[in-house]
Amino acid sequence: QVQLQESGPGLVKPSETLSLTCSVSGYSISSGYYWGWIRQPPGKGLEWIGSIYHSGSTYYNPSLKSRVTISVDTSKNQFSLKVNSVTATDTAVYYCARVGTASDSWGQGTLVTVSS
Amino acid sequence: QSALTQPRSVSGSPGQSVTISCTGSSSDVGGYNYVSWYQQHPGKAPKLMIYDVSKRPSGVPDRFFGSKSGNTASLTISGLQAEDEADYYCCSYAGTYTVIFGGGTKLTVL
Repeated sequence: QVQLQESGPGLVKPSETLSLTCSVSGYSISSGYYWGWIRQPPGKGLEWIGSIYHSGSTYYNPSLKSRVTISVDTSKNQFSLKVNSVTATDTAVYYCARVGTASDSWGQGTLVTVSS
Repeated sequence: QSALTQPRSVSGSPGQSVTISCTGSSSDVGGYNYVSWYQQHPGKAPKLMIYDVSKRPSGVPDRFFGSKSGNTASLTISGLQAEDEADYYCCSYAGTYTVIFGGGTKLTVL
């Protein structure tokens, strides 16, 4: 059974870069599927950030595209998220997920707070 | 990319049925048969309940039923149980490998 686990700093200063990693177990990223990031601000709804294929092809939410980079490391079976120039509005629980025609497996989520 | 439109809240008594709507456009919900629904309990990660409009993953009770007509998808939950109380989100493929979520609906079991 596939399992995903997010890791990274829980506190980021405004204007800096948010960096998270998703470690995948029970399934090889290289075997297929897309792998994505979704976030949820406190008390609000879900927002798709972007997805990556094991080949490295990436697809981003147009509203975040200028600040987001998703990368994959198949040797470590991990994929990562970077969000540049963060502000308080980037404060959210960040989830990683396996994405097919739907997201069938999710990490537990990690809260990232943007504050000085 | 605007969020799909869902009612903010719905409610029903145990044993009753409720339907949650999800309205988009011909560029997302109406254009593809890739609508999914997620259940989220407080403090937990979302759980996939319906995919490809009407398919249920293994382990999801058949009380959960998904459908679509035009630009609106729907999730119907029959035989409401206390454990169904949660937030529900729809999600649709929107072309070019992008997806869009609905704003979420809070289901209250009275």
